[in-house]
Amino acid sequence: AQTVTQSQPEMSVQEAETVTLSCTYDTSENNYYLFWYKQPPSRQMILVIRQEAYKQQNATENRFSVNFQKAAKSFSLKISDSQLGDTAMYFCAFMKHKYGGSQGNLIFGKGTKLSVKP
Amino acid sequence: DTEVTQTPKHLVMGMTNKKSLKCEQHMGHRAMYWYKQKAKKPPELMFVYSYEKLSINESVPSRFSPECPNSSLLNLHLHALQPEDSALYLCASRSLSGRCNEQFFGPGTRLTVL
Repeated sequence: AQTVTQSQPEMSVQEAETVTLSCTYDTSENNYYLFWYKQPPSRQMILVIRQEAYKQQNATENRFSVNFQKAAKSFSLKISDSQLGDTAMYFCAFMKHKYGGSQGNLIFGKGTKLSVKP
Repeated sequence: DTEVTQTPKHLVMGMTNKKSLKCEQHMGHRAMYWYKQKAKKPPELMFVYSYEKLSINESVPSRFSPECPNSSLLNLHLHALQPEDSALYLCASRSLSGRCNEQFFGPGTRLTVL
């Protein structure tokens, strides 16, 4: 069975600074996908960034980037130039590749609550 | 249209009531999901539908009854719920074509059982 661990329940960062959220996972699969989802207070869960395990290059989306270390089973999220709107709960999630019999369901970590302070 | 909509936004019901939650998407996604989310916790998977057929039921009590009438619509029928069922209920959808497709989430229905 797969597990996802987020070891930082809460973090805070000053506006315009950089912050890194950690995520580790455990799987025996070779092909899978990793995601970071953001859930602002009382608002919708949205995808921040995704990484396909077969790709060695780290994914980036504007101010968001990941450090994917497949051998170490680590998938951290770096937020640069933090903005007040980045305040949210961040969930790391794992999904098996469909050819591994995946129904596309996500295995979530417990989340990291990020507060961006002015 | 890249949106998943859920109605109602809020629902308060007694333990003897029958109510339904509705989820709709028009992105052509053929996989749809129901999750339950308690405060400050990750979503917990309840049901998965693939091509309008139930493919995963995560041992959910029978007082929750899902239904997928067509490829755009997903319902969750509620009957004889308990106060501990109070939570945010999230719907999500996902394309089954292509390589890697993320789930798109709706805004949720906040359910309170009295």
